Amino acid sequence: AQSVTQPDIHITVSEGASLELRCNYSYGATPYLFWYVQSPGQGLQLLLKYFSGDTLVQGIKGFEAEFKRSQSSFNLRKPSVHWSDAAEYFCAVGASSNTGKLIFGQGTTLQVKP
Amino acid sequence: KAGVTQTPRYLIKTRGQQVTLSCSPISGHRSVSWYQQTPGQGLQFLFEYFSETQRNKGNFPGRFSGRQFSNSRSEMNVSTLELGDSALYLCASRSRVGNTEAFFGQGTRLTVV
Repeated sequence: AQSVTQPDIHITVSEGASLELRCNYSYGATPYLFWYVQSPGQGLQLLLKYFSGDTLVQGIKGFEAEFKRSQSSFNLRKPSVHWSDAAEYFCAVGASSNTGKLIFGQGTTLQVKP
Repeated sequence: KAGVTQTPRYLIKTRGQQVTLSCSPISGHRSVSWYQQTPGQGLQFLFEYFSETQRNKGNFPGRFSGRQFSNSRSEMNVSTLELGDSALYLCASRSRVGNTEAFFGQGTRLTVV
């Protein structure tokens, strides 16, 4: 069965420091992968997606992610974190090619220190 | 273009009551999915609709139901509410079925007392 694991429940980084959020997935075929961000009390905003092609994908707000098939990973990165990046981040995989069902990881809460 | 609109934003209901939540997708989008978000279980898929047909259903009891109208607006209903149904219910809109981007609404925060 498909699954997504985000090993880090909570991460604290200093403003201006680099960030990497980890995501590992389990999926039998070529995965469709997403990263979403959620601010408190809000819905989910799509940061970036991977369907095929270039394994390094660029997203909004200066985020990027790299798909590594050999490691079943899709880690999210940002070179310099801003205080406004504090939020919860979710990695998700599409359950199959003919459904919109997403399987989410448990999320990683990012705290940014001034 | 307007985003996904969910109404109401907040609801307080009593155990045993029923509740109906509404979702208006992005104009032109015909696929709507619903998710339940709780601190303990995270984000869980409820169901997916396309062209008024339920295409997929998550592992939830029959008290949870939904439908989609010809204008693509969707409603979900929870009957005989339990305390454990307290959650943020999120609706996602897609232009078509399959792995395209899903755009989420702000959610409806349901509290069952």
